[in-house]
Amino acid sequence: DQQVKQNSPSLSVQEGRISILNCDYTNSMFDYFLWYKKYPAEGPTFLISISSIKDKNEDGRFTVFLNKSAKHLSLHIVPSQPGDSAVYFCAASGSSNTGKLIFGQGTTLQVKP
Amino acid sequence: SAVISQKPSRDICQRGTSLTIQCQVDSQVTMMFWYRQQPGQSLTLIATANQGSEATYESGFVIDKFPISRPNLTFSTLTVSNMSPEDSSIYLCSVELGPNQYFGAGTRLSVL
Repeated sequence: DQQVKQNSPSLSVQEGRISILNCDYTNSMFDYFLWYKKYPAEGPTFLISISSIKDKNEDGRFTVFLNKSAKHLSLHIVPSQPGDSAVYFCAASGSSNTGKLIFGQGTTLQVKP
Repeated sequence: SAVISQKPSRDICQRGTSLTIQCQVDSQVTMMFWYRQQPGQSLTLIATANQGSEATYESGFVIDKFPISRPNLTFSTLTVSNMSPEDSSIYLCSVELGPNQYFGAGTRLSVL
Protein backbone atom coordinates (compact mmCIF):
# COMPACT_ATOMS: atom_id res chain seq x y z
CA ASP A 1 0.00 0.00 0.00
CA GLN A 2 1.62 3.21 -1.20
CA GLN A 3 0.66 5.79 1.40
CA VAL A 4 2.50 8.63 -0.35
CA LYS A 5 2.23 8.90 -4.10
CA GLN A 6 3.93 11.05 -6.68
CA ASN A 7 2.05 10.17 -9.82
CA SER A 8 4.28 12.05 -12.26
CA PRO A 9 7.59 10.25 -12.75
CA SER A 10 9.03 13.19 -14.65
CA LEU A 11 8.47 16.86 -15.42
CA SER A 12 10.18 19.15 -17.90
CA VAL A 13 9.98 22.94 -17.72
CA GLN A 14 11.71 25.89 -19.31
CA GLU A 15 14.16 27.97 -17.31
CA GLY A 16 12.43 30.91 -15.65
CA ARG A 17 9.01 29.27 -15.64
CA ILE A 18 7.21 27.70 -12.69
CA SER A 19 7.73 24.04 -11.74
CA ILE A 20 4.87 22.36 -9.90
CA LEU A 21 5.48 18.97 -8.33
CA ASN A 22 2.55 17.11 -6.85
CA CYS A 23 2.14 14.58 -4.08
CA ASP A 24 -0.90 12.75 -2.71
CA TYR A 25 -1.24 10.82 0.51
CA THR A 26 -3.81 8.44 1.91
CA ASN A 27 -3.14 8.35 5.65
CA SER A 28 -5.09 11.04 7.48
CA MET A 29 -2.77 10.59 10.50
CA PHE A 30 0.09 12.26 8.65
CA ASP A 31 0.64 15.71 10.13
CA TYR A 32 4.02 16.79 8.79
CA PHE A 33 5.26 16.85 5.22
CA LEU A 34 8.70 17.41 3.72
CA TRP A 35 10.23 17.85 0.29
CA TYR A 36 13.70 16.66 -0.59
CA LYS A 37 15.87 17.14 -3.64
CA LYS A 38 18.27 14.43 -4.70
CA TYR A 39 21.12 14.62 -7.18
CA PRO A 40 22.71 11.42 -8.50
CA ALA A 41 25.30 9.94 -6.12
CA GLU A 42 24.20 12.25 -3.30
CA GLY A 43 21.86 11.89 -0.37
CA PRO A 44 18.49 13.67 -0.27
CA THR A 45 18.77 17.36 0.60
CA PHE A 46 16.02 18.84 2.74
CA LEU A 47 14.19 21.65 0.92
CA ILE A 48 11.08 22.72 2.77
CA SER A 49 8.45 21.33 5.08
CA ILE A 50 4.94 22.09 6.22
CA SER A 51 2.88 21.20 9.24
CA SER A 52 -0.73 20.17 8.88
CA ILE A 53 -1.83 23.24 10.82
CA LYS A 54 -0.72 25.37 7.86
CA ASP A 55 -1.74 25.43 4.23
CA LYS A 56 1.27 27.23 2.84
CA ASN A 57 4.95 27.62 3.60
CA GLU A 58 7.38 29.69 1.58
CA ASP A 59 11.17 29.78 1.49
CA GLY A 60 12.74 31.81 -1.27
CA ARG A 61 11.88 30.29 -4.62
CA PHE A 62 10.19 27.30 -2.99
CA THR A 63 6.60 27.21 -1.77
CA VAL A 64 4.73 24.20 -0.49
CA PHE A 65 0.95 24.12 -0.48
CA LEU A 66 -1.09 21.67 1.58
CA ASN A 67 -4.72 20.79 0.91
CA LYS A 68 -5.73 18.55 3.80
CA SER A 69 -9.24 17.86 2.58
CA ALA A 70 -7.85 16.56 -0.71
CA LYS A 71 -4.83 14.94 0.97
CA HIS A 72 -2.66 16.69 -1.55
CA LEU A 73 0.45 18.81 -1.42
CA SER A 74 2.47 20.53 -4.06
CA LEU A 75 5.87 22.14 -4.37
CA HIS A 76 6.18 25.26 -6.50
CA ILE A 77 9.57 26.44 -7.73
CA VAL A 78 9.61 29.95 -9.16
CA PRO A 79 11.59 30.79 -11.19
CA SER A 80 12.98 27.42 -12.18
CA GLN A 81 16.71 27.21 -12.81
CA PRO A 82 18.79 24.53 -14.60
CA GLY A 83 20.43 23.71 -11.26
CA ASP A 84 17.03 22.63 -9.98
CA SER A 85 17.17 19.59 -12.25
CA ALA A 86 17.07 16.64 -9.85
CA VAL A 87 14.75 14.03 -8.38
CA TYR A 88 12.25 15.47 -5.90
CA PHE A 89 10.77 13.34 -3.15
CA CYS A 90 7.88 14.20 -0.91
CA ALA A 91 7.73 12.53 2.48
CA ALA A 92 5.22 12.39 5.29
CA SER A 93 5.26 11.60 8.97
CA GLY A 94 2.74 11.37 11.77
CA SER A 95 3.07 12.21 15.44
CA SER A 96 2.61 8.55 16.22
CA ASN A 97 5.35 7.44 13.86
CA THR A 98 8.25 8.51 16.08
CA GLY A 99 10.14 10.15 13.24
CA LYS A 100 9.51 7.58 10.54
CA LEU A 101 9.24 9.15 7.10
CA ILE A 102 7.15 7.62 4.34
CA PHE A 103 8.48 8.64 0.94
CA GLY A 104 6.85 8.97 -2.44
CA GLN A 105 8.42 7.46 -5.53
CA GLY A 106 10.00 10.69 -6.67
CA THR A 107 9.60 13.02 -9.65
CA THR A 108 12.50 13.79 -11.94
CA LEU A 109 12.53 17.48 -12.80
CA GLN A 110 14.40 18.72 -15.84
CA VAL A 111 14.77 22.46 -16.26
CA LYS A 112 15.81 23.35 -19.79
CA PRO A 113 17.96 26.44 -20.40
CA SER B 1 21.12 21.23 9.71
CA ALA B 2 23.97 18.82 10.43
CA VAL B 3 27.02 17.45 8.68
CA ILE B 4 26.53 13.72 8.23
CA SER B 5 29.39 11.58 7.00
CA GLN B 6 28.90 8.06 5.71
CA LYS B 7 31.61 5.54 4.98
CA PRO B 8 32.20 3.85 2.63
CA SER B 9 30.61 5.87 -0.14
CA ARG B 10 30.44 2.78 -2.31
CA ASP B 11 31.55 -0.83 -2.30
CA ILE B 12 31.38 -3.96 -4.40
CA CYS B 13 31.02 -7.09 -2.33
CA GLN B 14 30.85 -10.82 -2.88
CA ARG B 15 27.78 -12.87 -2.11
CA GLY B 16 27.78 -14.25 1.44
CA THR B 17 30.01 -11.57 2.94
CA SER B 18 29.04 -8.72 5.27
CA LEU B 19 29.60 -4.98 5.07
CA THR B 20 29.47 -2.46 7.90
CA ILE B 21 28.47 1.10 7.05
CA GLN B 22 29.40 3.93 9.36
CA CYS B 23 27.49 7.15 9.99
CA GLN B 24 29.06 10.06 11.86
CA VAL B 25 27.24 13.28 12.79
CA ASP B 26 28.87 16.54 13.80
CA SER B 27 26.43 17.13 16.65
CA GLN B 28 24.70 15.04 19.26
CA VAL B 29 21.37 13.69 18.11
CA THR B 30 18.88 11.44 19.82
CA MET B 31 17.34 9.73 16.82
CA MET B 32 19.19 8.27 13.87
CA PHE B 33 17.60 6.33 11.06
CA TRP B 34 18.76 3.89 8.40
CA TYR B 35 17.03 3.81 5.01
CA ARG B 36 17.43 1.74 1.89
CA GLN B 37 16.82 2.85 -1.69
CA GLN B 38 16.66 -0.07 -4.06
CA PRO B 39 17.27 0.59 -7.78
CA GLY B 40 14.43 2.61 -9.25
CA GLN B 41 12.58 2.69 -5.94
CA SER B 42 11.89 5.19 -3.22
CA LEU B 43 13.47 5.32 0.20
CA THR B 44 12.33 2.75 2.75
CA LEU B 45 13.06 2.90 6.46
CA ILE B 46 15.03 -0.07 7.76
CA ALA B 47 15.26 0.84 11.43
CA THR B 48 15.40 3.59 14.00
CA ALA B 49 18.49 3.71 16.22
CA ASN B 50 18.32 5.53 19.53
CA GLN B 51 21.36 5.72 21.76
CA GLY B 52 21.14 3.42 24.74
CA SER B 53 18.40 1.20 23.42
CA GLU B 54 17.91 -1.57 20.90
CA ALA B 55 17.17 -0.50 17.35
CA THR B 56 13.55 -0.65 16.23
CA TYR B 57 13.11 -2.47 12.93
CA GLU B 58 10.41 -1.94 10.35
CA SER B 59 8.33 -4.75 8.94
CA GLY B 60 10.39 -6.83 6.56
CA PHE B 61 13.73 -6.05 8.19
CA VAL B 62 15.33 -8.17 10.93
CA ILE B 63 18.23 -7.69 13.29
CA ASP B 64 20.06 -10.79 12.13
CA LYS B 65 20.26 -9.41 8.60
CA PHE B 66 20.79 -5.73 9.48
CA PRO B 67 22.43 -5.45 12.91
CA ILE B 68 22.77 -1.85 14.08
CA SER B 69 24.96 -0.28 16.71
CA ARG B 70 24.48 3.11 18.34
CA PRO B 71 27.30 3.50 20.87
CA ASN B 72 26.92 7.26 21.39
CA LEU B 73 24.96 10.31 20.30
CA THR B 74 27.08 11.03 17.20
CA PHE B 75 27.72 7.63 15.65
CA SER B 76 25.93 4.57 14.32
CA THR B 77 26.71 1.57 12.17
CA LEU B 78 24.57 -0.63 9.96
CA THR B 79 25.81 -4.06 8.93
CA VAL B 80 24.40 -5.82 5.89
CA SER B 81 24.98 -9.50 6.66
CA ASN B 82 25.29 -12.54 4.43
CA MET B 83 24.76 -10.41 1.37
CA SER B 84 22.99 -11.47 -1.80
CA PRO B 85 22.55 -9.56 -5.08
CA GLU B 86 19.11 -8.47 -3.83
CA ASP B 87 20.88 -6.36 -1.22
CA SER B 88 22.35 -4.13 -3.93
CA SER B 89 20.99 -0.72 -2.96
CA ILE B 90 21.87 2.68 -1.64
CA TYR B 91 21.92 2.73 2.16
CA LEU B 92 21.41 6.08 3.85
CA CYS B 93 21.53 7.26 7.40
CA SER B 94 19.59 10.26 8.59
CA VAL B 95 19.26 12.26 11.78
CA GLU B 96 16.35 14.12 13.25
CA LEU B 97 16.92 17.76 14.15
CA GLY B 98 13.78 19.48 15.30
CA PRO B 99 10.91 18.39 13.09
CA ASN B 100 13.10 17.63 10.06
CA GLN B 101 15.42 14.84 8.97
CA TYR B 102 18.77 15.31 7.28
CA PHE B 103 20.54 12.65 5.26
CA GLY B 104 24.06 11.51 4.62
CA ALA B 105 25.34 11.04 1.08
CA GLY B 106 24.61 7.32 1.16
CA THR B 107 26.54 4.12 0.56
CA ARG B 108 26.10 2.56 -2.85
CA LEU B 109 26.40 -1.20 -2.44
CA SER B 110 26.71 -3.68 -5.27
CA VAL B 111 26.67 -7.40 -4.48
CA LEU B 112 28.04 -9.81 -7.06
